[in-house]
Amino acid sequence: GAVVSQHPSRVICKSGTSVKIECRSLDFQATTMFWYRQFPKQSLMLMATSNEGSKATYEQGVEKDKFLINHASLTLSTLTVTSAHPEDSSFYICSARDPRDSQPQHFGDGTRLSIL
Amino acid sequence: QQQVKQSPQSLIVQKGGISIINCAYENTAFDYFPWYQQFPGKGPALLIAIRPDVSEKKEGRFTISFNKSAKQFSLHIMDSQPGDSATYFCAASKTGGTSYGKLTFGQGTILTVHP
Repeated sequence: GAVVSQHPSRVICKSGTSVKIECRSLDFQATTMFWYRQFPKQSLMLMATSNEGSKATYEQGVEKDKFLINHASLTLSTLTVTSAHPEDSSFYICSARDPRDSQPQHFGDGTRLSIL
Repeated sequence: QQQVKQSPQSLIVQKGGISIINCAYENTAFDYFPWYQQFPGKGPALLIAIRPDVSEKKEGRFTISFNKSAKQFSLHIMDSQPGDSATYFCAASKTGGTSYGKLTFGQGTILTVHP
């Protein structure tokens, strides 16, 4: 089945650092990828929809200058948390749509980001 | 209009029992209703999904019941096992138009199955 790989799985860094998270579709071409944020014991909150070759569409309240999304190829989207602060600590999950099947999205295993 | 409301927030079931989680939606344009299972530190994984043209779908121990007129759907886990202990999310999506694939998630249910 379709597989989405997310890297790194965990990152710990100092406040002020910029952190890049990669999301890859391993066996299909994904024209659309999604980025979510999840706080402990809460649901997934959609941050943005990433379309290959065009600008990402951000959800209301998500700072586009803070969370930079690049979808430069059909198999890779990246999320960069710029100048990260402790309040940015969270579980970030990406997903990708496989145009070959009926499932809207296949999810990666998430990235645990901890900002000290 | 876009909300999906899920209950209960948490559920404790004995091994072999039936786990039931309910969801209600508002937007009648939704036409795809998946359930996801999430283990700690992992992304959600699709468990089972239904479209509104059927009232029930069964896959192994997992069954979705769908009531289109009430705008409600539920997940039943038969013969619940300790390995089923996880967080379950219902979701809804429109599979057409510009928002194709965009999922609206419920709040989640933490299921604990005691041995």
